[in-house]
Amino acid sequence: GAGVSQTPSNKVTEKGKYVELRCDPISGHTALYWYRQSLGQGPEFLIYFQGTGAADDSGLPNDRFFAVRPEGSVSTLKIQRTERGDSAVYLCASSLRPNDEQFFGPGTRLTVL
Amino acid sequence: QKEVEQNSGPLSVPEGAIASLNCTYSDRGSQSFFWYRQYSGKSPELIMFIYSNGDKEDGRFTAQLNKASQYVSLLIRDSQPSDSATYLCAVNLHNFNKFYFGSGTKLNVKP
Repeated sequence: GAGVSQTPSNKVTEKGKYVELRCDPISGHTALYWYRQSLGQGPEFLIYFQGTGAADDSGLPNDRFFAVRPEGSVSTLKIQRTERGDSAVYLCASSLRPNDEQFFGPGTRLTVL
Repeated sequence: QKEVEQNSGPLSVPEGAIASLNCTYSDRGSQSFFWYRQYSGKSPELIMFIYSNGDKEDGRFTAQLNKASQYVSLLIRDSQPSDSATYLCAVNLHNFNKFYFGSGTKLNVKP
């Protein structure tokens, strides 16, 4: 069956621009997670959705970051006024239920020039 | 102190040997534990998970959990060059539905 998909696979933008990263989870998975991974580090938790609501957004670094999941399936991570320090791979993962094993998408590599 | 600690490696083992990867965690409330494999430039891929103290085997892989020592390990028997990757340990606090990942251990299996 189809796994988690993410678009775009690569995004290059200029400092100060706005970007949107999309995640399409495995069908039927209720829990959706966003992570950020920098080189040589493990995934860093950003936000967790259970259904349509953000159950935990404590990992979002600041108010430039926002994420939605309006229909409980596809999610969009939005970053305003991008900074060079936002450059990383943004990973999305989904699980059938909370606390179950997570399955990751291929990631979006964001480069802010 | 990080929630999850792993030795960054690299850990080098010859083909056919047993590779032992270790992970410690700080929160005694952690309830489930996961091992992921990540090839360079790719996303993490789930290998196995463990919830209870003791060993859990799946093919060439064995996960070991000791909650008293806050320690989880992954053994890879008959290591193959294709096992060369970074192995990520993750722990989950059920009450918070939050997963913490270690920085990973790089494994090199030499032919």
